[in-house]
This record gives sequence, structure tokens and C-alpha cells, in this order.
Amino acid sequence: AQSVTQPDIHITVSEGASLELRCNYSYGATPYLFWYVQSPGQGLQLLLKYFSGDTLVQGIKGFEAEFKRSQSSFNLRKPSVHWSDAAEYFCAVGPTNFGNEKLTFGTGTRLTIIP
Amino acid sequence: DARVTQTPRHKVTEMGQEVTMRCQPILGHNTVFWYRQTMMQGLELLAYFRNRAPLDDSGMSKDRFSAEMPDATLATLKIQPSEPRDSAVYFCASGLANSGKAQYFGPGTRLTVL
Repeated sequence: AQSVTQPDIHITVSEGASLELRCNYSYGATPYLFWYVQSPGQGLQLLLKYFSGDTLVQGIKGFEAEFKRSQSSFNLRKPSVHWSDAAEYFCAVGPTNFGNEKLTFGTGTRLTIIP
Repeated sequence: DARVTQTPRHKVTEMGQEVTMRCQPILGHNTVFWYRQTMMQGLELLAYFRNRAPLDDSGMSKDRFSAEMPDATLATLKIQPSEPRDSAVYFCASGLANSGKAQYFGPGTRLTVL
């Protein structure tokens, strides 16, 4: 069975500083990998996804993520955060088998930005 | 800008009442998912459909919850009778089967059962 771990429940970063949110997964092969962001009172918005190819994936809002097979990780990064990046971030994994569309979500990391 | 829409955005009801939540998936998407989000349990998958057929509803209590897709542009989630423990935010998401697994979420329905 697939699983996702986001080890950091809450992270606080100064505006303008760099950010890295951690995500580790468990799956028998390389799964589909996603990062979503949820602002207060909103639904989840897809930031980026990975399945194959270049292990460094670019997403929206200036985010990127790097897939590292040896570490079973898919960490999200941003070189300089803005106050508007304060939100909850979810990593998700999807199976590669045909016909199974279910995603498994991590428990989320809440990002606070301080001036 | 294609989006998933959900109605109502907020619903306050009394215990025992029927609640119906609606979702319009992105046009052309053929998978629909219903999730519930609470502080305690996080994001839980309740049910999902492909081509309007239910594939998995093991996440919901079928004695009170039902999910249907009357047509390709409408998905419904009903709770009857509602209970205070059903208070949560309910999200609908849609996607395109076998096309990268990405799901696109609606804004949610915040349900409060008194």
C-alpha cells in the first residue's frame, strides 16, 4: 500500500527566505507525485506533479520540487517566500496501475510567514 | 478558466435533517471524488466515480451517506439523517482518467450540523 509522510506539521519562515517542505513516500515503484496548496477557506490547488523525466519539476507560483528515488522523497522548494505563500501544503502520491485514480495525501504542513 | 464548482458553499442545519451537496466537475473530466476534511481526521476520501459509475464508496457510512452522478455534469452527496459529527468541509474534485492522476478541487462546502 502506498503512504505519504510529511514530517513537519508547522514551519515558520521569514518573508524573503528560502523554503523547503519535506515529503517522503512509500510505494513499490515510482508513483505519481503531487504537491497541493490550500489557502484558508479554499480548496486544494495543484502546484506541480511528477511521474517521469526530469527529476526537478517546476510548478506555479515559483515553486519547484525534486524527486529523489534513492531517498523516496519529493521535497517542495521556493527560493524566496512571499507573505501570500502562507497556507497548508499537501504532498500526495498516486499509484501507477491502470484504472486506479485514488490519491493518498499526507497530513499537511502549515506554513507561517513572518515579516 | 475551467473550475470545479460546488454548492452550497456553506450550510447550517439541524441534526436529523437531510443535506444535499452538489458538484459540477470540469467539463470533459470523467472522474469525480468526494472528500471530507476535518481538523482531527484531515482529508478523507469518501467516494469516487469514473464515467459516472461508483468505483469506491468504502470511505463513507452507507446507512446515512449516498453519492450519485445523475449526469456527467452533476455529482451529489447526500446525508440523511445528518449528525453533529458530520460537521466538516466537503470537497469535490475531478480529473481525467488515465491522464496523469491529477485531481482538481472545488472550493468546498462547509457543513455545520447543530
